[in-house]
Amino acid sequence: AQKVTQAQTEISVVEKEDVTLDCVYETRDTTYYLFWYKQPPSGELVFLIRRNSFDEQNEISGRYSWNFQKSTSSFNFTITASQVVDSAVYFCALSEPNYGGSQGNLIFGKGTKLSVKP
Amino acid sequence: DTGVSQNPRHKITKRGQNVTFRCDPISEHNRLYWYRQTLGQGPEFLTYFQNEAQLEKSRLLSDRFSAERPKGSFSTLEIQRTEQGDSAMYLCASSPDRGGGEKLFFGSGTQLSVL
Repeated sequence: AQKVTQAQTEISVVEKEDVTLDCVYETRDTTYYLFWYKQPPSGELVFLIRRNSFDEQNEISGRYSWNFQKSTSSFNFTITASQVVDSAVYFCALSEPNYGGSQGNLIFGKGTKLSVKP
Repeated sequence: DTGVSQNPRHKITKRGQNVTFRCDPISEHNRLYWYRQTLGQGPEFLTYFQNEAQLEKSRLLSDRFSAERPKGSFSTLEIQRTEQGDSAMYLCASSPDRGGGEKLFFGSGTQLSVL
């Protein structure tokens, strides 16, 4: 069965610290997608990144970087030089097998609440 | 891009009442999804539409839940005979039909409280 585990429930850091959010997934599919979404207090989930199972290249976008390792079924997310505006709940998600041609059916982890203090 | 709009933002109802939520997706998006999120959990997939066709509904939580998307535009999610366990945030998302690992655009959700 597909599963996403985010073992860190809450993390608190001081501004400018680096922080890594862990994500471990389980799937029997050979083709799948992994995602990170951010949910600020307003409630609206915001897409951060998508990675397909055939692309293990790490990605960097500004202060954000992602480390995908198939060997350990992990897709970790690092924020460098954290800022107060990074405070939010971050969700890792895995695409389910196609239902009617869609891969928008996502399995989400329970999320990690990040608090960045000034 | 005006974003995904959900109404109402909050709904308080008494147990046994029926409730209906509305979602207006981004206008050019063919696909529309409903998710439910309870406190301290990640969103849980409920159902999905490709235009007006509901292609997956086996994950609706019970036969008290139903969804429609007439004319492939806005969608409604109805819960009949609400129970306290239905209290949750109901999220709508849309995506363009571009295949493979869809990027979902979420609305801000409807928070349902069943008293």
